[in-house]
Amino acid sequence: DAKTTQPNSMESNEEEPVHLPCNHSTISGTDYIHWYRQLPSQGPEYVIHGLTSNVNNRMASLAIAEDRKSSTLILHRATLRDAAVYYCILSPTGNTPLVFGKGTRLSVIA
Amino acid sequence: SAVISQKPSRDICQRGTSLTIQCQVDSQVTMMFWYRQQPGQSLTLIATANQGSEATYESGFVIDKFPISRPNLTFSTLTVSNMSPEDSSIYLCSGRQGRSTEAFFGQGTRLTVV
Repeated sequence: DAKTTQPNSMESNEEEPVHLPCNHSTISGTDYIHWYRQLPSQGPEYVIHGLTSNVNNRMASLAIAEDRKSSTLILHRATLRDAAVYYCILSPTGNTPLVFGKGTRLSVIA
Repeated sequence: SAVISQKPSRDICQRGTSLTIQCQVDSQVTMMFWYRQQPGQSLTLIATANQGSEATYESGFVIDKFPISRPNLTFSTLTVSNMSPEDSSIYLCSGRQGRSTEAFFGQGTRLTVV
C-alpha cells in the first residue's frame, strides 16, 4: 500500500481554521485520498475523501495538490469536539481494507 | 453510510478463555474487516472477513487464535481464543462497499484479560 506521512501532533485554538497536511509522494493514479478521525474512546469516523479535485462537505474541506503528492484537510473553525487523531489514508478500491498509519493528534485549545 | 452495532462494548476475561465479538450491519455490505488497536497505538488489520469462505489473515494473525465467521452480508464475528494478557486491546470491525466509498466502523470492544 502507498504510504502517507503526517505530523505526529498539531495544536489549534478554538474557532480558528486548522490545516492538517499529508504527504503521499508514491500515490498511484487510482488511489483515493481518504481522511478519517478517531475521537477518544470511539471507532474511527469518515471525514472526507477525494481523487483529484478539491472536495467540501459539512465536516471539512480537502485540498489536493495538482500532482496529487500531497493533500491538506481543512477544518474551517476548530471546536473542542474536533480534538482527535486524524488519519490520511490512500485507498485504491472499495474492496480493500484501510491501512492506518500513526495519524496526527490534533489538540484544540479553548 | 451504514451503521455497525458491535458487542460487547467491553469485557474482562480470564486468561485461557475465549471471547466472541459480534458485528451487525444495518445493510448489506460487500466487505468486512477486523482490526486491533493496542493502547495508544494505531489500528492494525487482523483479517478480511469473507462471506461464505475462510477469512484472509494478515501476517502475524492466525485462524486458530482469531477465528472469524461471516455467514451473510450483514453479520460477522471475531473470536479471541485462549486469551492471555497480551490480547488486551480494543477490537474493531469495519465495513466497506464500492470503489470510492468510505469505510465505517463499529464502536469497538475493549477487552481486558486478567
